[in-house]
Amino acid sequence: KAGVTQTPRYLIKTRGQQVTLSCSPISGHRSVSWYQQTPGQGLQFLFEYFSETQRNKGNFPGRFSGRQFSNSRSEMNVSTLELGDSALYLCASSLGPGGTEAFFGQGTRLTVV
Amino acid sequence: AQSVTQLDSQVPVFEEAPVELRCNYSSSVSVYLFWYVQYPNQGLQLLLKYLSGSTLVKSINGFEAEFNKSQTSFHLRKPSVHISDTAEYFCAVTLSYNTDKLIFGTGTRLQVFP
Repeated sequence: KAGVTQTPRYLIKTRGQQVTLSCSPISGHRSVSWYQQTPGQGLQFLFEYFSETQRNKGNFPGRFSGRQFSNSRSEMNVSTLELGDSALYLCASSLGPGGTEAFFGQGTRLTVV
Repeated sequence: AQSVTQLDSQVPVFEEAPVELRCNYSSSVSVYLFWYVQYPNQGLQLLLKYLSGSTLVKSINGFEAEFNKSQTSFHLRKPSVHISDTAEYFCAVTLSYNTDKLIFGTGTRLQVFP
């Protein structure tokens, strides 16, 4: 059974650009969550999607957005990149409501220069 | 609101010695508790979890954690560590009635020396 796949693994962007990250959950999982990991702030929840609906959102500016497709794959987008957006972005998948185990991908390392 | 405190940012230990990584949480409602491990340049892997029932939970690689409701703690222990246990360990909680969002502690870097 394939795990959670995140693409790309590494990205370098310049300030002001936008970026799209992709996450393919484990087959059969319908919930996808996104987290940002930085040395200063640690792991912070961005948002969670289930059945193409955003059910929960963390405390991030509107430049951070996401969506989920009918096949449960998810993308997150960051517009007008800032240096502080440099981070490891982790995606986690779970079965759905009531699911008690989240499986994480290897992450996308975004560097903003 | 819920929060998680990991009291030690780094724990150095010699191989085959015992180790305890401390985790305390704050919540006014029932929570589920988790320990995740992160190896360099990797995502997070679930080590063990407490949902209900026995307060002592164990992983397949020798780690165990005990849920202590009165002390709001979920400390992680291993009686004898290996070099391969060197990693970052994260304690996390979710609400028991809403598991959409994990709230993480700041992590503890376990460094095992030969």
